[in-house]
Amino acid sequence: NAGVTQTPKFQVLKTGQSMTLQCAQDMNHNSMYWYRQDPGMGLRLIYYSASEGTTDKGEVPNGYNVSRLNKREFSLRLESAAPSQTSVYFCASSGGAGGYEQYFGPGTRLTVT
Amino acid sequence: GQSLEQPSEVTAVEGAIVQINCTYQTSGFYGLSWYQQHDGGAPTFLSYNALDGLEETGRFSSFLSRSDSYGYLLLQELQMKDSASYFCAVGATNKLIFGTGTLLAVQP
Repeated sequence: NAGVTQTPKFQVLKTGQSMTLQCAQDMNHNSMYWYRQDPGMGLRLIYYSASEGTTDKGEVPNGYNVSRLNKREFSLRLESAAPSQTSVYFCASSGGAGGYEQYFGPGTRLTVT
Repeated sequence: GQSLEQPSEVTAVEGAIVQINCTYQTSGFYGLSWYQQHDGGAPTFLSYNALDGLEETGRFSSFLSRSDSYGYLLLQELQMKDSASYFCAVGATNKLIFGTGTLLAVQP
């Protein structure tokens, strides 16, 4: 099993460009999550999807949109990238109630210039 | 809202025992999770406490006191490979809120 996969691994954008980060899991998990991680800030929840067809805002949703395409896939879109969105983005999934045990993808390192 | 506090850095020597504390304030609490992250890598799940007391998994143990809004991760027989960041996270409905992490440096 691949677990949680993310594409791309690295990306450089210019301010104002748009892009979509892709995430897929093969563990049949109901819940999926998008986090960003900045130095010294820990992991901050951007959006999550508790089940197929639902999405909810996390701590830092501004500037992002998400799509739960199906049970396997959860994408994160930046419509107009800003330098403040330079970060490492992690996708995660969870099969249990409450989401306390999450499995993370390898991350996407995004730089916005 | 939720907030968590944990020390930013801890240093210990190989073979020793180290405790990483976590205090939290939250409006809704389901449990406390712990994750490990090696530099540049993905976080990995270590343990979860929903009830008061100690949970043991090999060299790692985790403790929770709901009345004190406090928990800790205990690492025994430290190895060099335990050098990493450790995050506590409080569980809310179908999601986790993470602390800012504790960087553990294990010295020979």
